[in-house]
Amino acid sequence: SYVLTQAPSVSVAPGQTAKITCRGDDIETKSVHWYQQRPGQAPALVVYDDRDRPSGIPDRFSGSNSGNTATLTISRVAAGDEADYYCQVWDRRSDHWVFGGGTMLTVL
Amino acid sequence: EVQLVESGGVVVQPGGSLRLSCAASGFTFDDYTMYWVRQVPGKGLEWVSLISYDGGTTLYADSVKGRFTVSRDNSRDSLSLQMTSVRPDDTAFYFCARSRLPAAVACFDSWGQGTLVTVSS
Repeated sequence: SYVLTQAPSVSVAPGQTAKITCRGDDIETKSVHWYQQRPGQAPALVVYDDRDRPSGIPDRFSGSNSGNTATLTISRVAAGDEADYYCQVWDRRSDHWVFGGGTMLTVL
Repeated sequence: EVQLVESGGVVVQPGGSLRLSCAASGFTFDDYTMYWVRQVPGKGLEWVSLISYDGGTTLYADSVKGRFTVSRDNSRDSLSLQMTSVRPDDTAFYFCARSRLPAAVACFDSWGQGTLVTVSS
């Protein structure tokens, strides 16, 4: 089955840029979606189809996808961005949704 | 406003059964594919099941296939997950979620707050 690999944690100072990566075989051939989950809350979609944002998501959140790595970039990081972030793809071979293991973003 | 409210989470013994429900409002329920996702407390997200807008297609994660059954009642705007032969590793928060696009398998744009299932003797 298809596997998505994320680093367990990323730390960044306020006002800096955070990059959260998601690795998978030929991931560039898939549409990657990203979710933010704050402590005690349900996940929320922040980027879909590699780089699009749902309404209400600030443009500080952006996405890219190339080769074997998709990246969620959060610019001008603030304390409120501290959360777990998950990548997700649809695996056509197995007809399964696949999530990455998640990355905890810590704002120093 | 889209709202999804799960219910039915309980403490159940290994080998037992239970049924989770998800009440939907704020959108045309029978236009959308719906999902179940679970999360062991403190761990990551795991997709569990999918049901198409008309109930004609259902899919399951390998970990639950043959034990869980997803269904929907479009007349009541309700989604269900029947869980049988439950095991301790089924212990998790269970979320229902909506597909971002109508009549399509797309990412999850709305989520409920989850209901906790604990499998323990």
